[in-house]
Amino acid sequence: QKEVEQDPGPLSVPEGAIVSLNCTYSNSAFQYFMWYRQYSRKGPELLMYTYSSGNKEDGRFTAQVDKSSKYISLFIRDSQPSDSATYLCAMTRRGNKLVFGAGTILRVKS
Amino acid sequence: DTGVSQDPRHKITKRGQNVTFRCDPISEHNRLYWYRQTLGQGPEFLTYFQNEAQLEKSRLLSDRFSAERPKGSFSTLEIQRTEQGDSAMYLCASSSGTQAGQPQHFGDGTRLSIL
Repeated sequence: QKEVEQDPGPLSVPEGAIVSLNCTYSNSAFQYFMWYRQYSRKGPELLMYTYSSGNKEDGRFTAQVDKSSKYISLFIRDSQPSDSATYLCAMTRRGNKLVFGAGTILRVKS
Repeated sequence: DTGVSQDPRHKITKRGQNVTFRCDPISEHNRLYWYRQTLGQGPEFLTYFQNEAQLEKSRLLSDRFSAERPKGSFSTLEIQRTEQGDSAMYLCASSSGTQAGQPQHFGDGTRLSIL
């Protein structure tokens, strides 16, 4: 079993929909949680970064961390075709080695 | 503030050849990381440096792989005697590392194709 589990999708939604992306993990020592967006043939781009449990909002993006359930989420409001990409969750204990999920492919249809 | 730069973007080589990739981190970032990503998977950690010191290596980093960061600035990753299974995207990331848990910023990677 992988340390971080993420549904690979693809997830297809109409433009303007609210998107929910999720990851579960098994290592309770993880303290820092990130969401990256990756376009084809490009490197991962940092979207959200949170420490420990709680919510964080940045524009159309909201990240949630529930350490008691070992579950993290990313919500995208008013989704746009330009949001079509692979979304990677990542986490780390002390901020050095990141452990990634496999990524969820998101397709937003106009 | 320029981002993480990697060179080359794409490398095609024959099995058994040696290859070397270069990474230039964001200026003044003292931590530098290498990851490998295969199709349909998330990046996997290979190794990281704090300044010129290599502090951690993954078991994925066989003895055919070597990484250096001689002056604490740019880094190189060399693969000797390449094998088909080495075909992947090699990603470099950097972070400031002055406080615990600083976010890592990635370059666009070097795509390695083994013929």
